[in-house]
Amino acid sequence: KNQVEQSPQSLIILEGKNCTLQCNYTVSPFSNLRWYKQDTGRGPVSLTIMTFSENTKSNGRYTATLDADTKQSSLHITASQLSDSASYICVVSLHTGTASKLTFGTGTRLQVTL
Amino acid sequence: KAGVTQTPRYLIKTRGQQVTLSCSPISGHRSVSWYQQTPGQGLQFLFEYFSETQRNKGNFPGRFSGRQFSNSRSEMNVSTLELGDSALYLCASSLGSGTDNSPLHFGNGTRLTVT
Repeated sequence: KNQVEQSPQSLIILEGKNCTLQCNYTVSPFSNLRWYKQDTGRGPVSLTIMTFSENTKSNGRYTATLDADTKQSSLHITASQLSDSASYICVVSLHTGTASKLTFGTGTRLQVTL
Repeated sequence: KAGVTQTPRYLIKTRGQQVTLSCSPISGHRSVSWYQQTPGQGLQFLFEYFSETQRNKGNFPGRFSGRQFSNSRSEMNVSTLELGDSALYLCASSLGSGTDNSPLHFGNGTRLTVT
């Protein structure tokens, strides 16, 4: 069964600190891996998209890494801000011929405090 | 450029009723996909439409259906509502579909409560 598992489930950090969120997947064949940020009461917003040939991609203070051999990805947030408080969702795209199917992790809920 | 618009924002229905949710994609986007989000299951894929054709379908019962119009707007229908259908229903649009790496642009969802 294709799965995407994220850890930790939740995390509390102080403003200004860095943190790393983990995503392990068993989806195969793999097309791309995406990270989304979802604020409470809003729809998810795309942070990064990586194909299997990419091993790092940045978007401002967000840096995603991908190890396709071990099927692991991480999202590193640098110098956290209060506005980073949100759920972060890892999504893996399964390629099936002409279509792709997305498998979602259940997310990591990040809270940034003063 | 306007984002993805979902209506209504909130909806309360009773068991056995049916409901229709609407989604207007970003102008120029031809792909619209629907997702159900619950606290326990996270986001689950319902179906995807591209140029009025259903391209993909998730593992949901036939009570869940959808369609896409020629202007790319999409509707999702749930018939014979059950308590377990209470969830946030999200719609997303993208430029392409299938094998490309187009990012999904989500709306803010319709919160459906079934009583």
